Amino acid sequence: DTEVTQTPKHLVMGMTNKKSLKCEQHMGHRAMYWYKQKAKKPPELMFVYSYEKLSINESVPSRFSPECPNSSLLNLHLHALQPEDSALYLCASSPHPSSGSSYEQYFGPGTRLTVT
Amino acid sequence: AQTVTQSQPEMSVQEAETVTLSCTYDTSESDYYLFWYKQPPSRQMILVIRQEAYKQQNATENRFSVNFQKAAKSFSLKISDSQLGDAAMYFCAGEGAQKLVFGQGTRLTINP
Repeated sequence: DTEVTQTPKHLVMGMTNKKSLKCEQHMGHRAMYWYKQKAKKPPELMFVYSYEKLSINESVPSRFSPECPNSSLLNLHLHALQPEDSALYLCASSPHPSSGSSYEQYFGPGTRLTVT
Repeated sequence: AQTVTQSQPEMSVQEAETVTLSCTYDTSESDYYLFWYKQPPSRQMILVIRQEAYKQQNATENRFSVNFQKAAKSFSLKISDSQLGDAAMYFCAGEGAQKLVFGQGTRLTINP
């Protein structure tokens, strides 16, 4: 199984709502990532989890809150978002967080988020 | 890689022809990995090809091959016998500290 799954596929939320994005992988990977991607742009890294611990936070606003309950699951909790946060949110995983071909990341299909 | 640059925002090619996408990068490391990712309109990013910097031989995956020039810090992707399904955004990426550094992408159009 070389798949990263993400739910939901689409999400529309108001600026006062609280919602969560979910990402799951069953490849035994020990690094998981959240990216934000705007149209026609490369993915922008938000967070990295290594061995279920947060290792990188790319100065992301606190209205985005990541969580890694176990080695297969990654959540992104959303609260009080702004319209400019509307984007495609991608999850990825890789076998290990550092060195060599471990940087090969497997991406999920993404969640299309619209903030109204 | 500290920086990755793709200088071609858009490219187009006739079906069955060959096209080359350019990528340059900057790094202070002597050993590293470089990648080309493809993101079709359906949006799922998939790995096309990977190159290990210490290997002299250019990587090849079926119709996809790279021209890796380590001294010039150049990593171009050649697609042979282009097919309609090759239409996508292509991102060049290099390894950074626990993360990938992406170029800005090249949108490839295949003309039938």
